[in-house]
Amino acid sequence: EDKVVQSPLSLVVHEGDTVTLNCSYEVTNFRSLLWYKQEKKAPTFLFMLTSSGIEKKSGRLSSILDKKELFSILNITATQTGDSAIYLCAVSGGAQKLVFGQGTRLTINP
Amino acid sequence: NAGVTQTPKFQVLKTGQSMTLQCAQDMNHEYMSWYRQDPGMGLRLIHYSVGAGITDQGEVPNGYNVSRSTTEDFPLRLLSAAPSQTSVYFCASTRGDYGYTFGSGTRLTVV
Repeated sequence: EDKVVQSPLSLVVHEGDTVTLNCSYEVTNFRSLLWYKQEKKAPTFLFMLTSSGIEKKSGRLSSILDKKELFSILNITATQTGDSAIYLCAVSGGAQKLVFGQGTRLTINP
Repeated sequence: NAGVTQTPKFQVLKTGQSMTLQCAQDMNHEYMSWYRQDPGMGLRLIHYSVGAGITDQGEVPNGYNVSRSTTEDFPLRLLSAAPSQTSVYFCASTRGDYGYTFGSGTRLTVV
C-alpha cells in the first residue's frame, strides 16, 4: 500500500527562524513528489520534484528529493507570520494518483 | 480562465439523503480526482478519472459514485449520506505533467 509520512505533525517557531519539514514515502511506480501549502482553503502548489539531488527554490522556500532514501525536505528560511499554514507532501504514482501525507501544521509567532 | 470550479461551497444534509457535488474544469485536463480532508488525516483519494468514460476507485470509495461523461465535468454522488461523510471535499485536475490544481472545496455536514 502506498504511504506518505510527514514529520513533525506540528511545529511552532518564532518569526525569523529557519524550519525543515520532512516527508518520507513508499510508493510503487513513483513519478513525482509535490509540496503544497494550505491556508484556509484549497492547497496551493509549491514544488514538484522528479529528480534526485536537484534543489528547487522559490524565494525563501526550497526543497530537495532523495530517491534512494525515499524522502524529501522542505526548508523555509527567515520565516514570516504569513508562512503559517499546513504544508502537505504528496507523491504521484500510477495514473496520476496523489497520495498525501498527514500534513505539518506550521505556526510562526511574531 | 476559471480553473477548477466546485459547487456548492457549503451543504448540510440529513442522514440518508443523497446529493451530488459538482466539479468542472476548463483547462482541458485529462486527469481528475476527488479527495476528502478530515482533521489530522491529510487528503484521501475517493475516486479518480484518467479521461472521459474512465473512472476508478481510490483509497476511500465506499458510499460515493462518480462518472465522467465529458472531459470538463466530474461529479461526485453521495448515495445515502452518513455522519461519517462529514468532511471537506476537494476536486482536482491535472494534464499529467504538472501538479494538480484544486478547487476551493465543499464543506459538507451530515446530521
